[in-house]
Amino acid sequence: TQLLEQSPQFLSIQEGENLTVYCNSSSVFSSLQWYRQEPGEGPVLLVTVVTGGEVKKLKRLTFQFGDARKDSSLHITAAQPGDTGLYLCAGGAGKLTFGTGTRLTIIP
Amino acid sequence: DAGVIQSPRHEVTEMGQEVTLRCKPISGHNSLFWYRQTMMRGLELLIYFNNNVPIDDSGMPEDRFSAKMPNASFSTLKIQPSEPRDSAVYFCASSFSLAGAYNEQFFGPGTRLTVL
Repeated sequence: TQLLEQSPQFLSIQEGENLTVYCNSSSVFSSLQWYRQEPGEGPVLLVTVVTGGEVKKLKRLTFQFGDARKDSSLHITAAQPGDTGLYLCAGGAGKLTFGTGTRLTIIP
Repeated sequence: DAGVIQSPRHEVTEMGQEVTLRCKPISGHNSLFWYRQTMMRGLELLIYFNNNVPIDDSGMPEDRFSAKMPNASFSTLKIQPSEPRDSAVYFCASSFSLAGAYNEQFFGPGTRLTVL
């Protein structure tokens, strides 16, 4: 069974600060996705990374896939209250394995 | 497109009762997934279908759970009999899947199930 561990589990920071959350596994994934889930809603895809070492940027969010394709990170610059939510990484093709999640709260 | 539609949004039932959750995937999608989310266990895949055929049901907790997909536009997840430990948010997701390729899954709003 492929497991994805995310850290930290909870993170609460002030608006305007930078942060990084991590997604780690002992298994190699062909691709890895990041989703954000807001209260009362289902997860929504933010990005997919497929190449080891790949870096993708989505406005203030920067996603990196590890060279060995076993880990990934999400960096947010100048966090905004709208970034608040549960961030989930997911790996695999077709059938996804979801990580344990990082619950992020941005304090205005 | 209206997105993935799930019903009901909330369900409160008593232990031992039958519960049926419903899902309408996005038109044109060929894969459908049922997930369960709890604080303790996170988001768990229960079962997924491809072209209406169940491909992997290894996540279904026990025989009390069953899922069907009679056609491309409808799926049900049934729990019979329900137990308090089944209380969770159940999500349905769909995608257009190509063999061996990564695909975006589109999630419905979920059904919050409470079993008393």
